[in-house]
Amino acid sequence: QKEVEQDPGPLSVPEGAIVSLNCTYSNSAFQYFMWYRQYSRKGPELLMYTYSSGNKEDGRFTAQVDKSSKYISLFIRDSQPSDSATYLCATAYNFNKFYFGSGTKLNVKP
Amino acid sequence: GAGVSQSPSNKVTEKGKDVELRCDPISGHTALYWYRQSLGQGLEFLIYFQGNSAPDKSGLPSDRFSAERTGGSVSTLTIQRTQQEDSAVYLCASSRDSHNEQFFGPGTRLTVL
Repeated sequence: QKEVEQDPGPLSVPEGAIVSLNCTYSNSAFQYFMWYRQYSRKGPELLMYTYSSGNKEDGRFTAQVDKSSKYISLFIRDSQPSDSATYLCATAYNFNKFYFGSGTKLNVKP
Repeated sequence: GAGVSQSPSNKVTEKGKDVELRCDPISGHTALYWYRQSLGQGLEFLIYFQGNSAPDKSGLPSDRFSAERTGGSVSTLTIQRTQQEDSAVYLCASSRDSHNEQFFGPGTRLTVL
């Protein structure tokens, strides 16, 4: 079993839609949770970082962690064509080693 | 300021050859990470450096893979006797220290024929 599972998509939505991206993880010791965005042929860039459980909001983006169900989510409100990218979730229990999901490809249609 | 740079951006090699991939982290960043991203796969963690030391090398896929970092700056990932399954994008990231955001380079796309 992989440490982090993520639906690869692709996910296609119309502009303005609310997008929900999700991952599950296997190790209850994970306490750091991250979402990265990766455009084609570029390195990933950090979008959101959460420590332990709870919600974190930044503009149109909300990250949610439910440690009881080992479930992490990223919500994008009022999605834009510029949000079209691959979104990667990641977890860690310390900063020596990170575990990434396989990424969900999102396409926001104008 | 300058971000993380990696060279070469693309590398095509023949099976059995050795390759060296280079990473120049952001100046002053003490932590450096190497990842591998295969088609349709997530990032696979390879190795982490704090300064010149790598506390955990267990992520390296085989003993054909090695990495070093000198002067707390540039890092080199070496793959010996390359195999076709080594074909992937190799990404490097650096952070101010191990508890801060990682900034990724653009990656080196390795193709082993």
